[in-house]
Amino acid sequence: GAGVSQTPSNKVTEKGKYVELRCDPISGHTALYWYRQSLGQGPEFLIYFQGTGAADDSGLPNDRFFAVRPEGSVSTLKIQRTERGDSAVYLCASSLTNSKGETQYFGPGTRLLVL
Amino acid sequence: AQSVTQPDIHITVSEGASLELRCNYSYGATPYLFWYVQSPGQGLQLLLKYFSGDTLVQGIKGFEAEFKRSQSSFNLRKPSVHWSDAAEYFCAVGAAAAGNKLTFGGGTRVLVKP
Repeated sequence: GAGVSQTPSNKVTEKGKYVELRCDPISGHTALYWYRQSLGQGPEFLIYFQGTGAADDSGLPNDRFFAVRPEGSVSTLKIQRTERGDSAVYLCASSLTNSKGETQYFGPGTRLLVL
Repeated sequence: AQSVTQPDIHITVSEGASLELRCNYSYGATPYLFWYVQSPGQGLQLLLKYFSGDTLVQGIKGFEAEFKRSQSSFNLRKPSVHWSDAAEYFCAVGAAAAGNKLTFGGGTRVLVKP
């Protein structure tokens, strides 16, 4: 079956603009995670959803970042008033449940460049 | 708070030689440990994981890892490296108490010499 997909694959925007990044998880997966990977670093947790609700948003860096998953499937990460420091690869992952040790399957990421 | 350290940023190995990547973690309870590989332009792919049982874990592509609680380590090994193993490798620990969110190390980039 299809894996996790993310669109767009690349996004270039100007400082101060608003962007939306989309994640399509594997069908039937109830847990969905967003991570951010800056150049030369490992991914860092941003937020995770169990179903439609954001169960843990402790990794969101500030209130410019927001994510939704209205129907418990597709998720959108929204960044307002983008800054150059937001440039990174944004990774989405999904897992069947949020149980201990459950495997997370990652998408290819969206590379965001803020000029 | 949990953390993961991968002490080696880069490793160069000859094709056919053995490979060992180090991973040390800090976590207050029984850890759930993962190794992922990231090839250029591709997403993270799970190589193997440990959460209980046998401390020597077999994964895909001929990789294995050994969990050593006394050393807080989960090192990844492969007996004979292929050129296609050139990639970046990430060790991660899962937080069982927080929906299994992952904390990653900084990664080790592996270069394979012919």
